[in-house]
Amino acid sequence: SQQGEEDPQALSIQEGENATMNCSYKTSINNLQWYRQNSGRGLVHLILIRSNEREKHSGRLRVTLDTSKKSSSLLITASRAADTASYFCATDTARGSTLGRLYFGRGTQLTVWP
Amino acid sequence: EAQVTQNPRYLITVTGKKLTVTCSQNMNHEYMSWYRQDPGLGLRQIYYSMNVEVTDKGDVPEGYKVSRKEKRNFPLILESPSPNQTSLYFCASSLFPGTGGLDTEAFFGQGTRLTVV
Repeated sequence: SQQGEEDPQALSIQEGENATMNCSYKTSINNLQWYRQNSGRGLVHLILIRSNEREKHSGRLRVTLDTSKKSSSLLITASRAADTASYFCATDTARGSTLGRLYFGRGTQLTVWP
Repeated sequence: EAQVTQNPRYLITVTGKKLTVTCSQNMNHEYMSWYRQDPGLGLRQIYYSMNVEVTDKGDVPEGYKVSRKEKRNFPLILESPSPNQTSLYFCASSLFPGTGGLDTEAFFGQGTRLTVV
């Protein structure tokens, strides 16, 4: 499977703390993306990092990518209760028979307590 | 507003009764796909389509059909639903990466929660 795997499966923190989630994958990628899902709702794209990038920021989000270790991390700084959601990484291999397909992990459930 | 629209949002049906879940996008995206989401299993791709009249199986296609007669629509058809198809279904669309290095950010519908009894 080319599926990404998030770690931890669940994370519980207090408001104001930072939340770090990790993603590991198996094959070469074109880019890696992070999505957020509120309970029972559709996924929303958060940030995309290309294979030739090492770090990217968007507001309170910071994503890193280490292609040598086939891993990525998502850092949410100064978390808020509204950040409570499931977070998924998705890999885009964009080559050959998998062109255009995204492979999702099982997600990290983040709970931020007020 | 750019969006992917799925209907219905909730559906309870009986085993064997054919049903269709519609999906429409207004972003002129070439690539569309269907996923099912089950607890502990994450999102698994059912079918995808790279463009009109081009569809292909994903990881869990058994028991499903799709069609892509128009660019904007990508319905999911369950010819004879069974209880193991009870799940949360998502339609998604994106640009087709192809040449030019376009990024493939996916836009998701709000989901269809299907229960087959």
